[in-house]
Amino acid sequence: NAGVMQNPRHLVRRRGQEARLRCSPMKGHSHVYWYRQLPEEGLKFMVYLQKENIIDESGMPKERFSAEFPKEGPSILRIQQVVRGDSAAYFCASSPRNTGNSGNTIYFGEGSWLTVV
Amino acid sequence: DQQVKQNSPSLSVQEGRISILNCDYTNSMFDYFLWYKKYPAEGPTFLISISSIKDKNEDGRFTVFLNKSAKHLSLHIVPSQPGDSAVYFCAASATGGDKYIFGTGTRLKVLA
Repeated sequence: NAGVMQNPRHLVRRRGQEARLRCSPMKGHSHVYWYRQLPEEGLKFMVYLQKENIIDESGMPKERFSAEFPKEGPSILRIQQVVRGDSAAYFCASSPRNTGNSGNTIYFGEGSWLTVV
Repeated sequence: DQQVKQNSPSLSVQEGRISILNCDYTNSMFDYFLWYKKYPAEGPTFLISISSIKDKNEDGRFTVFLNKSAKHLSLHIVPSQPGDSAVYFCAASATGGDKYIFGTGTRLKVLA
């Protein structure tokens, strides 16, 4: 998976707690995408970010979810007050430029599996 | 609104035979398409892509065909190997757009 690093790989949270998932893009990549895969479902787009800028968050739930990609450090997907329905695999992907330039491939990390108990 | 559809949730193929995975899309603005393979508990791995200016792209055992008029693409794997058993996702994007839309995946099982 070409160097996109996600951590933690597995995270267990009780209902009501906060979950923070981190993603470091491939070297040289300045664009980060977060996708979610619920059990037995496909990959659903959540949010697309550049450094210090959210480009598209149309797939993010309106409440409890937020994402950032600071100037320094990894991108963070934050889920507040988790509920059982948040249990899923969260995948981060990165690209060197935005998908508006046709021909741009995105590369995924290994994923973070969140379990809410 | 599912803009990218993979209507076959699963497919079984004998080792050595051809595997054909299909994908349909509804948005005529899509002009770049990718296929990913995903094993359980791992992230999707990029396989092959195709631009709308082409109708075929080949890479080793993998070939992707694009039929723009039908808004249909397919991934051919030949010969199929047991290690190809995985879930395959197609994805599409539009120039000027900012995200890839993924299909729901097709689980391929290659039987030895």
